[in-house]
Amino acid sequence: GENVEQHPSTLSVQEGDSAVIKCTYSDSASNYFPWYKQELGKGPQLIIDIRSNVGEKKDQRIAVTLNKTAKHFSLHITETQPEDSAVYFCAASRSGTASKLTFGTGTRLQVTL
Amino acid sequence: EAGVTQSPTHLIKTRGQQATLRCSPISGHTSVYWYQQALGLGLQFLLWYDEGEERNRGNFPPRFSGRQFPNYSSELNVNALELEDSALYLCASSQRGVGNTIYFGEGSWLTVV
Repeated sequence: GENVEQHPSTLSVQEGDSAVIKCTYSDSASNYFPWYKQELGKGPQLIIDIRSNVGEKKDQRIAVTLNKTAKHFSLHITETQPEDSAVYFCAASRSGTASKLTFGTGTRLQVTL
Repeated sequence: EAGVTQSPTHLIKTRGQQATLRCSPISGHTSVYWYQQALGLGLQFLLWYDEGEERNRGNFPPRFSGRQFPNYSSELNVNALELEDSALYLCASSQRGVGNTIYFGEGSWLTVV
């Protein structure tokens, strides 16, 4: 089955700096890679996703890059703000009805003033 | 549009008892997923239901079971509760066959004492 590794487990950045979280996956057939943000006491919220037919996707201060050859993908947050502080999870799956998302172990991002 | 709703928000049970958690998916979604998130840990896949059928099951003992009703809502049952079952149980839903974009509810906190 799919295995997703996520690094780092914790990340502390100063407000205004950039943050990068990296994930690797094992199943070369995986073609869907979402990122979720989980605030304390809440359920994970989808913040951005990418499919294997593109290499990069941006949404305001958030971007995701995908390297299919190396089987890794990354989340980039620019101009970080205190409200970006949360746990971020990457995930991978094959599209279609016969699969499920496999999540990374999460990264706790702390944005300090 | 209402998101994924879960009930109860919090539940306290005694070891050996049974717990029932409920989930209503986003309108139009036919797939429901259950995940377990122990305190400070990642998301562990439990069950996936689609069109009333169990489609996939994670590495959990048979005392974790569930079902999906004709209106696509779902129930997760945990029998013979153990202390280590204490966790946040997250329900998510997706449209069938649309790239596995799943949306989570806020979760149900189960505490076993």
